[in-house]
Amino acid sequence: SQKIEQNSEALNIQEGKTATLTCNYTNYSPAYLQWYRQDPGRGPVFLLLIRENEKEKRKERLKVTFDTTLKQSLFHITASQPADSATYLCALDIGGYNKLIFGAGTRLAVHP
Amino acid sequence: NAGVTQTPKFRVLKTGQSMTLLCAQDMNHEYMYWYRQDPGMGLRLIHYSVGEGTTAKGEVPDGYNVSRLKKQNFLLGLESAAPSQTSVYFCASGGGVRLATKNIQYFGAGTRLSVL
Repeated sequence: SQKIEQNSEALNIQEGKTATLTCNYTNYSPAYLQWYRQDPGRGPVFLLLIRENEKEKRKERLKVTFDTTLKQSLFHITASQPADSATYLCALDIGGYNKLIFGAGTRLAVHP
Repeated sequence: NAGVTQTPKFRVLKTGQSMTLLCAQDMNHEYMYWYRQDPGMGLRLIHYSVGEGTTAKGEVPDGYNVSRLKKQNFLLGLESAAPSQTSVYFCASGGGVRLATKNIQYFGAGTRLSVL
């Protein structure tokens, strides 16, 4: 079955530094991969989508890479701010009707 | 636009009771999904729908039923609640016509359910 893993421990970084979150997966070849942000008590909110034929995607301070050989995606937040503190979820397309499989998420805490 | 609206926000049930969670979307999306989220686990798909009048099982469908009588609404039912169904439930919609957003899922704020 498909398996998707994210850093299980919280990531603590200093304001202004770059946060790097990892998403690894096995047993599947997704057409695309997505990253969502989730704040406590709220639903996930879409951030970025990267397709299998794309190596890198950027949006403002966010950057995502997708290595289909390593079966890994890296999610970077540059010049991090305390407002970036949240849980970040990785999600894989599992084929048909936009169905996704989600990782458990990585909690990011950015300290002033 | 309200986006995706879930009701209720919180609910406490006793074992064996039944209830229905309502999800409504105003984005004219074809696809709708119900997930549960438990601590330390990713969102798990319960059931989904690819259009009005259709439903399909997801990863963890047992103990739940769904209906999509109208395109904008997707109902999740628990016929006989069990403590194992204590969770946070999220509804999402997607499959819009715009190429830039057709693969994105839009989530509601969630329903926190406790079964005692």
